[in-house]
Amino acid sequence: GAVVSQHPSWVICKSGTSVKIECRSLDFQATTMFWYRQFPKQSLMLMATSNEGSKATYEQGVEKDKFLINHASLTLSTLTVTSAHPEDSSFYICSATVRSSYEQYFGPGTRLTVT
Amino acid sequence: GQNIDQPTEMTATEGAIVQINCTYQTSGFNGLFWYQQHAGEAPTFLSYNVLDGLEEKGRFSSFLSRSKGYSYLLLKELQMKDSASYLCAVGTNAGKSTFGDGTTLTVKP
Repeated sequence: GAVVSQHPSWVICKSGTSVKIECRSLDFQATTMFWYRQFPKQSLMLMATSNEGSKATYEQGVEKDKFLINHASLTLSTLTVTSAHPEDSSFYICSATVRSSYEQYFGPGTRLTVT
Repeated sequence: GQNIDQPTEMTATEGAIVQINCTYQTSGFNGLFWYQQHAGEAPTFLSYNVLDGLEEKGRFSSFLSRSKGYSYLLLKELQMKDSASYLCAVGTNAGKSTFGDGTTLTVKP
């Protein structure tokens, strides 16, 4: 149980285009989903917290107009990287939690490369 | 602020025991997590400590001392597949976790 999927697993896009990444909880309803970014040999950096039906809460320094998050249902959250630039190339990971639990179930990650 | 410290790298021999330490200073504490992350993959959950003491799960054990802001992950009977990054994370508030930079463990034959 507690499986989280992400799609796509990897994507290459041209600079200036937008990319949408989906995060789904497959066998449970996630009250909260988190979006992280991880650069090579670095730890996970929390970008935003997403609750179903409400606006995402962004961490300091993360541009909400560039990284659009939509939490449409209890099983789906999407992250759209708008007007992507090469410096946005990174490993993007989502995780999901259920109410009253601090354990996070991670998706497999999406490797974004912007050329 | 949030501060989580763990060693950057460790090396150990197959079959041996290794202890990875983690110290933390965070605003809010709702438990301490250890995750394993292989290169290019997402983290996988190893353990969760919210009370002081040792939690044992197979070859892996995790210890917590809240008064000292200290935890360790103990890996026994090391196998080559245990070569990975080990992330210490503290549950802070609103379900969030703050992650340390990770310890890269290399297991040698």
